[in-house]
Amino acid sequence: ELKVEQNPLFLSMQEGKNYTIYCNYSTTSDRLYWYRQDPGKSLESLFVLLSNGAVKQEGRLMASLDTKARLSTLHITAAVHDLSATYFCAEQGAQKLVFGQGTRLTINP
Amino acid sequence: KAGVTQTPRYLIKTRGQQVTLSCSPISGHRSVSWYQQTPGQGLQFLFEYFSETQRNKGNFPGRFSGRQFSNSRSEMNVSTLELGDSALYLCASSLAPRAAEAFFGQGTRLTVV
Repeated sequence: ELKVEQNPLFLSMQEGKNYTIYCNYSTTSDRLYWYRQDPGKSLESLFVLLSNGAVKQEGRLMASLDTKARLSTLHITAAVHDLSATYFCAEQGAQKLVFGQGTRLTINP
Repeated sequence: KAGVTQTPRYLIKTRGQQVTLSCSPISGHRSVSWYQQTPGQGLQFLFEYFSETQRNKGNFPGRFSGRQFSNSRSEMNVSTLELGDSALYLCASSLAPRAAEAFFGQGTRLTVV
């Protein structure tokens, strides 16, 4: 059964700091997604990682994929309050997206 | 370009009732998937439809059903509602199954009392 695990599940950090969210998945899937969700809102697509070694960056967020280690990371650089949200990674299974538990990120001034 | 539209946005129903939720995908997208999000179970896959056919179904009881119309719009139905069905129901639209990217609607917040 496909399983995706994120850590940490909760993260409180100060503005200006750097941190990384980790996403471990269970199969040899070569497709990994990162989504952002604000409270009460839908899922916003951040990154689609399609191959081993893929690295994508958008603003203060950078995502990478290591299919051999079955690991994806979402790195936050010099965090700002606007990045406070819940972040999900999801693995593309044969039939569906399998989501991690989500990481609730709170960035304090 | 219009996004994924889900209606209604909010719904309150009583136990035992049934409910129908609607999802209109992005124009040109033919694949629609449904997910249930709850605080306890997280995001769980319900079904996937493509070209009016259900391709896959998640591990949910038969009370949960769905369909897709020729214009790719999809509906899901939950009969004999239970308190545990309270959740945010999200639909995702993509060009085809396993397309590189899926776009989510705003969701329908269902509360069962």
